[in-house]
Amino acid sequence: QKEVEQNSGPLSVPEGAIASLNCTYSDRVSQSFFWYRQYSGKSPELIMSIYSNGDKEDGRFTAQLNKASQYVSLLIRDSQPSDSATYLCAVEDNAGNMLTFGGGTRLMVKP
Amino acid sequence: DVKVTQSSRYLVKRTGEKVFLECVQDMDHENMFWYRQDPGLGLRLIYFSYDVKMKEKGDIPEGYSVSREKKERFSLILESASTNQTSMYLCASSLPRPGVPTELFFGEGSRLTVL
Repeated sequence: QKEVEQNSGPLSVPEGAIASLNCTYSDRVSQSFFWYRQYSGKSPELIMSIYSNGDKEDGRFTAQLNKASQYVSLLIRDSQPSDSATYLCAVEDNAGNMLTFGGGTRLMVKP
Repeated sequence: DVKVTQSSRYLVKRTGEKVFLECVQDMDHENMFWYRQDPGLGLRLIYFSYDVKMKEKGDIPEGYSVSREKKERFSLILESASTNQTSMYLCASSLPRPGVPTELFFGEGSRLTVL
């Protein structure tokens, strides 16, 4: 069974700091990777996708992918209290039909 | 605007009852999914469908069935609810496009409690 692993946290960072969220996956043929943000009591929403090795930046968010190490991360620069949420890593199967999600990392940004 | 609507936000049922969870999307998406979310376990895929009347088992299909009679509607059925099916159920849809990572659009969720 494909596995996606995340540290459950909580990860606590002060406002303005860089938050680093990590994810490892077991299926070596996975091609596309996603980060979803889920606020308490709400449904997940997509914030980043990445499918090439290296970094992808979008505003304060940077996704990093290393397929050789089967590792994907999300950096949040200048963290804000509004970034406090659970961040879910997801990996797409090779057929492009299914996503497997990690358990999520709860991020707390303290003012 | 993208919209996935789940029929009930909160349900309380008794053990052995038949439960229907309905999901409707208005984006003409081909793929629809049912996940359940439990603390520490993330989202686990129950069933998905990539076309009308088509269904595929996900990671945890036991105790569930699904129905997709129309493209916009995907129903999750618990034939005989049990307490271990108490969970948050999330419906999602997507439009697969070659070469483009698939984005899932989620409904607001249905929190089911089985007593």
